[in-house]
Amino acid sequence: AQKVTQAQTEISVVEKEDVTLDCVYETRDTTYYLFWYKQPPSGELVFLIRRNSFDEQNEISGRYSWNFQKSTSSFNFTITASQVVDSAVYFCALSEVFTNAGKSTFGDGTTLTVKP
Amino acid sequence: SAVISQKPSRDICQRGTSLTIQCQVDSQVTMMFWYRQQPGQSLTLIATANQGSEATYESGFVIDKFPISRPNLTFSTLTVSNMSPEDSSIYLCSVLPGRDRSSYEQYFGPGTRLTVT
Repeated sequence: AQKVTQAQTEISVVEKEDVTLDCVYETRDTTYYLFWYKQPPSGELVFLIRRNSFDEQNEISGRYSWNFQKSTSSFNFTITASQVVDSAVYFCALSEVFTNAGKSTFGDGTTLTVKP
Repeated sequence: SAVISQKPSRDICQRGTSLTIQCQVDSQVTMMFWYRQQPGQSLTLIATANQGSEATYESGFVIDKFPISRPNLTFSTLTVSNMSPEDSSIYLCSVLPGRDRSSYEQYFGPGTRLTVT
């Protein structure tokens, strides 16, 4: 069965600090996708990134970066120079392509609070 | 890409009543799913909406409580039946547009925020 663990329930930082959100996953499939979503207080789910299991190249998008390490089954998310607008709940999710096609398993989420 | 709309966006309902949530996609999609997010919790998959056949439910969810329809490739409904306060949640529709598993793009609707009093 697939499983996603976000060990950090809540993180609080001061604006401009860097912060890393951890995500560890379990799957028996060799082909899968990993996702990060942001859920601001307004409630909508905002897609941030999708990464397939064959692409271990790290990705940077502005202040956001993702570190995918298959060897440790981790897909961590770093926000550089955090801003108050980054305050939200962040979810990591896993989708197995074949065994449970299309069904995403979500972690419990990490609530990030960025203080001015 | 796929643009998803849900109706209603929010509702307040009395216990014992039922609410039907609609999910409309702007293009034909291969797979459609319904998720639930209880207050302060993560997202949990309710069921896969199958076009032209009965939905496939996850453990802990049953058709009598959450009947689902999917009459075509762009539309689905989820009904929350005989509601109780424990059904207060955000209900999200999700789609997987393509058949090509190498380009795996999953999209979520804006959600329906349900409060049961």
